[in-house]
Amino acid sequence: EVQLVESGGGLVQPGGSLRLSCAASGFTFSSYSMNWVRQAPGKGLEWVSYISSSSSTIYYADSVKGRFTISRDNAKNSLYLQMNSLRDEDTAVYYCARESMGRWFDPWGQGTLVTVSS
Amino acid sequence: DIQMTQSPSSVSASVGDRVTITCRASQGISSWLAWYQQKPGKAPKLLIYAASSLQSGVPSRFSGSGSGTDFTLTISSLQPEDFATYYCQQANSFPLTFGQGTRLEIK
Repeated sequence: EVQLVESGGGLVQPGGSLRLSCAASGFTFSSYSMNWVRQAPGKGLEWVSYISSSSSTIYYADSVKGRFTISRDNAKNSLYLQMNSLRDEDTAVYYCARESMGRWFDPWGQGTLVTVSS
Repeated sequence: DIQMTQSPSSVSASVGDRVTITCRASQGISSWLAWYQQKPGKAPKLLIYAASSLQSGVPSRFSGSGSGTDFTLTISSLQPEDFATYYCQQANSFPLTFGQGTRLEIK
C-alpha cells in the first residue's frame, strides 16, 4: 500500500523554526517528485514546494521563498520541509503529496498541523 | 501566476441530483487540470486528472471535461458520500495553483 506519513508539526512562536518530515512507503520513492501543500484552518489548498526525484529541480511558492527549504533523502524514503522565520500566516495543516503522472497529487499524507502563535 | 476560479463557491443538492462545478483558468492550460475531493478532517483525494481522466477506483458517476481555460466536474447522480468540498488545480506551470473550492452540501 502506498503511504505517506507526515510528522514534526506543533506549536512554535513567530520567528521560530520547525522541520517537517514525510515518511514514504509502498512505492519506489526515488522515482517520484514530491510536493508540500498546506491548508490554513477553514481555508483552501495552497501549494508550497516541489522537489524532483533527484533533487535537481526545486520550486517554492513566493509566500515561503527564502524561508522554507525542501529536501529529500532517497536512501531513507523521506521528504523534509525546513521552515524558518515562521509567521502567523504559516499556520496550517501541511500535507506531503506524491506527484502522479502529471503535476497532480496522489496520494496525500494525513497532514501535520503547524501552529505559529505567541 | 495562473489564477483558478471555481463556481459556485457552494451548492446545495439532493441525493440523486446531477451537479456540475466549473473551474476557469486565467490563461490557457491545455488539459493540465485535476479535480480533488476533500472531506472534513481528511486529506484531499484525486478524482480526475488531465481534465477528463478518471483516477483508478473513483466511481464512474464522476466525470470531467474541458480544455484551455474552461473546465467542468460533473457528478451524475449524487450519493451521500459525495457531500464534500471539491478543488480544481492547474498543473500547467509553477507555481501550481488551486481553485478556492466548492462546498457541496445536502439540501
